[in-house]
Amino acid sequence: DQQVKQNSPSLSVQEGRISILNCDYTNSMFDYFLWYKKYPAEGPTFLISISSIKDKNEDGRFTVFLNKSAKHLSLHIVPSQPGDSAVYFCAAIGGSNDYKLSFGAGTTVTVRA
Amino acid sequence: GAGVSQSPSNKVTEKGKDVELRCDPISGHTALYWYRQSLGQGLEFLIYFQGNSAPDKSGLPSDRFSAERTGGSVSTLTIQRTQQEDSAVYLCASSGGLGFYGEQFFGPGTRLTVL
Repeated sequence: DQQVKQNSPSLSVQEGRISILNCDYTNSMFDYFLWYKKYPAEGPTFLISISSIKDKNEDGRFTVFLNKSAKHLSLHIVPSQPGDSAVYFCAAIGGSNDYKLSFGAGTTVTVRA
Repeated sequence: GAGVSQSPSNKVTEKGKDVELRCDPISGHTALYWYRQSLGQGLEFLIYFQGNSAPDKSGLPSDRFSAERTGGSVSTLTIQRTQQEDSAVYLCASSGGLGFYGEQFFGPGTRLTVL
């Protein structure tokens, strides 16, 4: 049962423009959300996170928005750079198993020069 | 380096053979996780070790899968009688404490191909 869904498998964006990645979840017990970035042949690396008590968290070019009522979050990258080309995973945690991350299938971002 | 390391990076095996995958977590991290990523899928939780507590094995897909963590450090994931559907990238991660709400540090993964 996929509790975290990333419905767009890929995204192509022009350098300098905004990248918007979307993520939906079904488990209302999730209370912390993370984005990981993965380059080929490397493990995922933590990018940014947000607690359910917030609706926005910003870190440099990266901003994550959380809409709890819609069970939806998004990652904005502004401006997009060629080095941002990677696979981005949305993950969520919470409830009785507060150590077990549930991951989406990932979105492959390609930033065109 | 100081990161999570995994070996081998690639493993090709024949159906029915046993394989062992190794993970060296970051020194001092008490929590260790195994995930796998099949083609086109997200990361699937397999097993979680925390200190000396009994591991959470709820994600292991069958009794052919087992894992150990010796001395609270190195972990080995064993797959017996491998099947083609076991082909995936197996990722190990570690983190620093109890009640984790934050970053897990991942290794580069082991790509397993079962012919």
